[in-house]
Amino acid sequence: QQQVKQSPQSLIVQKGGISIINCAYENTAFDYFPWYQQFPGKGPALLIAIRPDVSEKKEGRFTISFNKSAKQFSLHIMDSQPGDSATYFCAASMRGGDYKLSFGAGTTVTVRA
Amino acid sequence: GAVVSQHPSRVICKSGTSVKIECRSLDFQATTMFWYRQFPKKSLMLMATSNEGSKATYEQGVEKDKFLINHASLTLSTLTVTSAHPEDSSFYICSAGTSGTPSTDTQYFGPGTRLTVL
Repeated sequence: QQQVKQSPQSLIVQKGGISIINCAYENTAFDYFPWYQQFPGKGPALLIAIRPDVSEKKEGRFTISFNKSAKQFSLHIMDSQPGDSATYFCAASMRGGDYKLSFGAGTTVTVRA
Repeated sequence: GAVVSQHPSRVICKSGTSVKIECRSLDFQATTMFWYRQFPKKSLMLMATSNEGSKATYEQGVEKDKFLINHASLTLSTLTVTSAHPEDSSFYICSAGTSGTPSTDTQYFGPGTRLTVL
């Protein structure tokens, strides 16, 4: 059973637009929420991560919004570029859980020029 | 920093042979390494967690006698697929956990190994 649910499965956005990917979790013991970016044939690369003590974290064009009460978090990609076309995975882990990551199903983002 | 390498990047082998995949953390010491399997257009499936100097912990449904994991040092873990069969063909990815900045929870992933069993 998937502990982290991710949506949408895929999305298409125009260059310069905003891509939004949502994730939801059930286990309140999760306390670390990273996002990974993966290009075809490559390993995932850590993009940005957040802990539940903050509601938002921004790094360049990438922003994580975190809603602890709703048990939801999302990734916003501002000013989307063709080079952002990739699959994005949200994940969650907890201390005491051997730091194992529970991954979402992934979202394939296509940015059209 | 936080670079993880894997070797080989792709391997083709005959059914019944064994294949070893190496995972190295190049610029940090990884007390914990993880091995994942990924099917096309799917998410990552955790196979096992290995801590340096101790036996790996396998996820439910993963055959430990088929997927042998050794974590001999703080910078090297190996996955050996024994008696490989076509259904073992997949993309295998390792990750390493660092105790340094920015977080002890952070996992850094290798570039993956594409295994094709004929």
